[in-house]
Amino acid sequence: SAVISQKPSRDICQRGTSLTIQCQVDSQVTMMFWYRQQPGQSLTLIATANQGSEATYESGFVIDKFPISRPNLTFSTLTVSNMSPEDSSIYLCSVEGGDGTYEQYFGPGTRLTVT
Amino acid sequence: KQEVTQIPAALSVPEGENLVLNCSFTDSAIYNLQWFRQDPGKGLTSLLLIQSSQREQTSGRLNASLDKSSGRSTLYIAASQPGDSATYLCAVRLLSGGSNYKLTFGKGTLLTVNP
Repeated sequence: SAVISQKPSRDICQRGTSLTIQCQVDSQVTMMFWYRQQPGQSLTLIATANQGSEATYESGFVIDKFPISRPNLTFSTLTVSNMSPEDSSIYLCSVEGGDGTYEQYFGPGTRLTVT
Repeated sequence: KQEVTQIPAALSVPEGENLVLNCSFTDSAIYNLQWFRQDPGKGLTSLLLIQSSQREQTSGRLNASLDKSSGRSTLYIAASQPGDSATYLCAVRLLSGGSNYKLTFGKGTLLTVNP
């Protein structure tokens, strides 16, 4: 299994500002995933972050809006840029277990409210 | 495109009752299926992982089954307790297509167990 921590756990931000969310894993992992969960909705994958390469974004998500860093095998950041109220969501970091089962583990999430 | 449907959307039961949550998916070429629990405003906790070659998995009072040919999975909770109250999410991982790392989530079933 993997233990994942995220910072901050929640934040209230003003429209037009940016927030950087940090994700720390207790073991080295190849890929880290960022998901968004809008109110009342299920999870949507934003992007996949590999160490040493550009993140791969899913349809509907762009690097200018959600820049991602992956400086090493245990850490990643997601920035939500130029925020609007529609960005109010829970943002979740996720990794796969390294035992070949592809079991997915999630962090506690960051609850973002944009006013 | 894989679609995952969970029925019912919400369920309220008295404590002690046995219950079944349903998950269906449209593309049977899956690598695995995972059941998660999500408490309000929190991250996801992995409950059970079923590989495509398996028919069921058990953990304590939880039993998950998989019928890949019919595109269905069920999560059985025995002797429900108020602490089981949460949203239960089903997610499937596709087998191939260059996206075998990507999970597709259902919208979840909100379970309330009344004392």
